[in-house]
Amino acid sequence: DVVMTQSPLSLPVTLGQPASISCRSSQSLVYSDGNTYLSWFQQRPGQSPRRLIYKVSNRDSGVPDRFSGSGSGTDFTLKISRVEAEDVGVYYCMQGTLWPHTFGGGTKVEIK
Amino acid sequence: EVQLVESGGGLVQPGGSLRLSCVASGFTFSGYWMSWVRQAPGKGLEWVATIRHDGNERYYVDSVKGRSAISRDNAKNSLYLQVNSLRAEDTAVYYCAGDGGRDWGQGTLVTVSS
Repeated sequence: DVVMTQSPLSLPVTLGQPASISCRSSQSLVYSDGNTYLSWFQQRPGQSPRRLIYKVSNRDSGVPDRFSGSGSGTDFTLKISRVEAEDVGVYYCMQGTLWPHTFGGGTKVEIK
Repeated sequence: EVQLVESGGGLVQPGGSLRLSCVASGFTFSGYWMSWVRQAPGKGLEWVATIRHDGNERYYVDSVKGRSAISRDNAKNSLYLQVNSLRAEDTAVYYCAGDGGRDWGQGTLVTVSS
């Protein structure tokens, strides 16, 4: 199975400052069709997960443009340009290239 | 508006069975792959199973393979997950998710305990 490793586990951030989360996969996530099926999810306290980014860098509808995704192959990053109070929660990367699909362990974003 | 509504969770004894359901609305259900994802109390997300839009492909995580079955009824806009031989480690909130995780339900809690 593909192992997804996120870092850091916890990320205290000052409001208005940037934040960055890393996600590394144990195998390349490039699929035979040329796409890379790497997504990012946000889970606010007490809520269901919400997808923010799909195929590495595509923002879902309604997702603020302060969220951006980048990376390739086995190394991916989620960036928040200026953290707002509503961004508190746990962030997960997930690979949908190989079966079984697998999630990273999560990164908890909190306000300093 | 897309809605996914799960049901069927509850308290089950070890070794028992459960059938979870998810009713979809607000999109063309028959056109999308659908998945179940679970989250144990205080833990992270775990992908469980996925079914192709026409039901002709199914994939499972190893921990449920052989004792679970994902299915769908496109005429009823419904997704199902049958889980047998339940274990304590199956205790989790089970989410129905559509189209690669674009849409999620509110989840249904399954507790396996004697």
